[in-house]
Amino acid sequence: DAKTTQPTSMDCAEGRAANLPCNHSTISGNEYVYWYRQIHSQGPQYIIHGLKNNETNEMASLIITEDRKSSTLILPHATLRDTAVYYCIVRRLGTGGGADGLTFGKGTHLIIQP
Amino acid sequence: EPEVTQTPSHQVTQMGQEVILRCVPISNHLYFYWYRQILGQKVEFLVSFYNNEISEKSEIFDDQFSVERPDGSNFTLKIRSTKLEDSAMYFCASKAGEGVYTQYFGPGTRLTVL
Repeated sequence: DAKTTQPTSMDCAEGRAANLPCNHSTISGNEYVYWYRQIHSQGPQYIIHGLKNNETNEMASLIITEDRKSSTLILPHATLRDTAVYYCIVRRLGTGGGADGLTFGKGTHLIIQP
Repeated sequence: EPEVTQTPSHQVTQMGQEVILRCVPISNHLYFYWYRQILGQKVEFLVSFYNNEISEKSEIFDDQFSVERPDGSNFTLKIRSTKLEDSAMYFCASKAGEGVYTQYFGPGTRLTVL
C-alpha cells in the first residue's frame, strides 16, 4: 500500500473550515484514499473515502488532486468536538477474504481553538 | 445506529494470566478485526477474521494470541499468558462485506498488565 505523509499537528478556529492535507505520491490506480479520525482514546471513526473524484458526505469533503498524489480533507465548520487525530490511509478496495487490515500512521492532531 | 460493543471497558490482570477480551460486532457484518494501541503510539493491526478463520495477521499476533467467534454474535481475543508489554487499548472492528471498506470500531478495552 502507498505511504502517506501528513503534518503532525494543525490548529483551526472554531467555526472555520479545517483543511487537512495528505501526500500519497506513490498511490496506485486501484488504491482508494480513506480518512479516519480518533477522538482521544476512543476507537477510530470512519469519515470518508474516494478514488479520484471529489466526495462529500455529512461529515466532510474530500478533494483529490487530478494526479491523485495528494488530497485534502475539509471539515467545513469545525467545532470543538472535531479535535482529534486524523488519519489518511491509502488502501486497495476488496483485497479479498478480509485480508485488509488498516495501517495507521501517526496522523494529524487537529486542535480546534475556541 | 448499530455499533460495535466491547467488554470489559477496563481489564487489570497479573503478568502471566490469561485474558479474554470480548466484542459484539455489528449484526450481519461478516469481517472482524482486532487492533491495539499502546499508550501514545499508533493504532496497530493485529488480525482479521472471516468465514470462521483468520484471514490475515500481523507480526504482533504471535502464538500467545488467538481469536474465536464462539457463537453468532461474539468475537473474542484471547491472550494466553500476558506480558507487561501487552498493556494497551484493544479495539475490535467489523465490516459489512467484501467490496466495502468502512470498518466500524468499538470503544476499546483498556488492558493493564501488572
